[in-house]
Amino acid sequence: GAGVSQSPRYKVAKRGQDVALRCDPISGHVSLFWYQQALGQGPEFLTYFQNEAQLDKSGLPSDRFFAERPEGSVSTLKIQRTQQEDSAVYLCASSLSPAPPQHFGDGTRLSIL
Amino acid sequence: GIQVEQSPPDLILQEGANSTLRCNFSDSVNNLQWFHQNPWGQLINLFYIPSGTKQNGRLSATTVATERYSLLYISSSQTTDSGVYFCAVDNYGQNFVFGPGTRLSVLP
Repeated sequence: GAGVSQSPRYKVAKRGQDVALRCDPISGHVSLFWYQQALGQGPEFLTYFQNEAQLDKSGLPSDRFFAERPEGSVSTLKIQRTQQEDSAVYLCASSLSPAPPQHFGDGTRLSIL
Repeated sequence: GIQVEQSPPDLILQEGANSTLRCNFSDSVNNLQWFHQNPWGQLINLFYIPSGTKQNGRLSATTVATERYSLLYISSSQTTDSGVYFCAVDNYGQNFVFGPGTRLSVLP
């Protein structure tokens, strides 16, 4: 597609459930980023892939968060045993090279009840 | 890590007015982008501007890297300009650090 696609657009889960969020980057984009945006704040970096290699995962808040990009295209962010503080918008971005500009998807709004 | 500040935090304008948004950062940066997040949450890339000046229609941006700030100018504002404007920088890493944003409301 023309832009970064994320699914689902909205996700509601009960505390303790596992969730998986999908990101389809712009075709041919080497770099892929995940960010977390809490209500009223700016996005915060979670993790970065260059092709299939996860080069930086320093922003993942706990070991319950896991991301993968096995074929260097689609990426999945998984959150295990969700907690209420995981409620946020999860944004995916891609760029043609490791350098900007980064292009963002519309995000997945996750609500943990 | 690098700190990013944005001012003002909130701005209310009448349609047609001009405004200047500021982004200050605490260290030298390799890259800087300005984004507009519209009321539907979409994050739109406005400018990739690590230095110098760029213009796109009613918007323009200037980054003075040596003095560690960037400015976003909005002229003849329209109601569709409402939303949150973010500055994001990276200091030679791969990920961006976002500022807290400026919330702009343009009134008809």
